Amino acid sequence: QLQLQESGPGLVKPSETLSLTCTVSGVSITSRGYYWGWIRQPPGKGLEWIGSISYSGSTSYNPSLKSRVTISIDTSKNQFSLKLSSVTAADTAIYYCARRGGVTATPLVDYWGQGTLVAVSS
Amino acid sequence: QSVLTQPPSVSGAPGQRVTISCTGSSSNIGAGYDVHWYQQLPGTAPKFIMFSNNNRPSGVPDRFSGSKSGTSASLAITGLQVEDEADYYCQSYDSSLTWVFGGGTKLTVL
Repeated sequence: QLQLQESGPGLVKPSETLSLTCTVSGVSITSRGYYWGWIRQPPGKGLEWIGSISYSGSTSYNPSLKSRVTISIDTSKNQFSLKLSSVTAADTAIYYCARRGGVTATPLVDYWGQGTLVAVSS
Repeated sequence: QSVLTQPPSVSGAPGQRVTISCTGSSSNIGAGYDVHWYQQLPGTAPKFIMFSNNNRPSGVPDRFSGSKSGTSASLAITGLQVEDEADYYCQSYDSSLTWVFGGGTKLTVL
């Protein structure tokens, strides 16, 4: 059974870098055809795609966040990570790690982590 | 402001039928990209309940159906049940190489 689990600080100071890790269990992160990504949800608001990374390390990012985002993959630990720099209060959100399934032509999130709330505050 | 537009809320009595619309543009839904739908129960992560416009994953009752036409898509729920009360999100892909979501619709079962 595939599971994703986010980990990282729940509080980040303004202007600093938010760092989260997603640990994948139940499947190899290098399995062909899958992408791994991050999606966030500000409290009481909708979903926003942050970016994704392929099993081979190819990345794509939301243009609105691209200048501040880095997603990387650590195959030895079966993990992938998110770094978001120069955070402000607007970056306060529940951050979900997720898997894009390989079946559909249009990206579909078929597995989600439980989400972790990250607050940006001094 | 979400790229895909959904009504903020819909409601219906148990047993009734409701529909949730999702309106995009020529750069996403209208460009031929499929639409997926997610259900988010309070305090939980979303889960997909419809993929590629009108396909239900196993375990989702056939009370749920989806459709797509032009730059819009819809999710219909018949025989409303109390447990259907949740937030629903549509999602597609945009020519700007972005995964795009709707703003979400809160379904209330009266």
